Amino acid sequence: RKEVEQDPGPFNVPEGATVAFNCTYSNSASQSFFWYRQDCRKEPKLLMSVYSSGNEDGRFTAQLNRASQYISLLIRDSKLSDSATYLCAVNMGTGNQFYFGTGTSLTVIP
Amino acid sequence: ETGVTQSPTHLIKTRGQQVTLRCSSQSGHNTVSWYQQALGQGPQFIFQYYREEENGRGNFPPRFSGLQFPNYSSELNVNALELDDSALYLCASSLGASAPEKLFFGSGTQLSVL
Repeated sequence: RKEVEQDPGPFNVPEGATVAFNCTYSNSASQSFFWYRQDCRKEPKLLMSVYSSGNEDGRFTAQLNRASQYISLLIRDSKLSDSATYLCAVNMGTGNQFYFGTGTSLTVIP
Repeated sequence: ETGVTQSPTHLIKTRGQQVTLRCSSQSGHNTVSWYQQALGQGPQFIFQYYREEENGRGNFPPRFSGLQFPNYSSELNVNALELDDSALYLCASSLGASAPEKLFFGSGTQLSVL
């Protein structure tokens, strides 16, 4: 079993739609969780941290479910500029060495 | 921008050759992590350096080696290059090596092995 599993998509959604991505992880000792955005062959850019209490930043909401060992990212009112690959990152224990998912491809269509 | 710089941006090598990739961390960051990202995959952890010492290593063979300098910049060396080493190599710096320190990535080095 992979340490982090993520639906690769692709997700093709119309502008204004709400879309959600999930990512499951296997190490119950993991403590840090992040979502990154990656544009084509560029570096991953930190989108947001994920906490059990939830984390909202504008149209983006991230959530952690420790019991079921998954994290989620919700994007409301999708914009064309949201088109990218979204990577989840889960740390390996107590350090900040991360497992990344394979990424979920999102295309927002006019 | 993250303030993490990598060089070179692109590199073409042939099988069996050796390569050195370089990374300058963000000011104030003492930890550098290296990741390999093959096409269509997520980044895979190679190793991490914290205050000039290796602080963890992923599932990569010994021909992948590195070091960190007193100014916290870092190098990744790969010997005896194989075709499968073709990938985007990402360097990330952070304030420390403990959770929940965030990673800030450089723009990467695209390595092609022919």
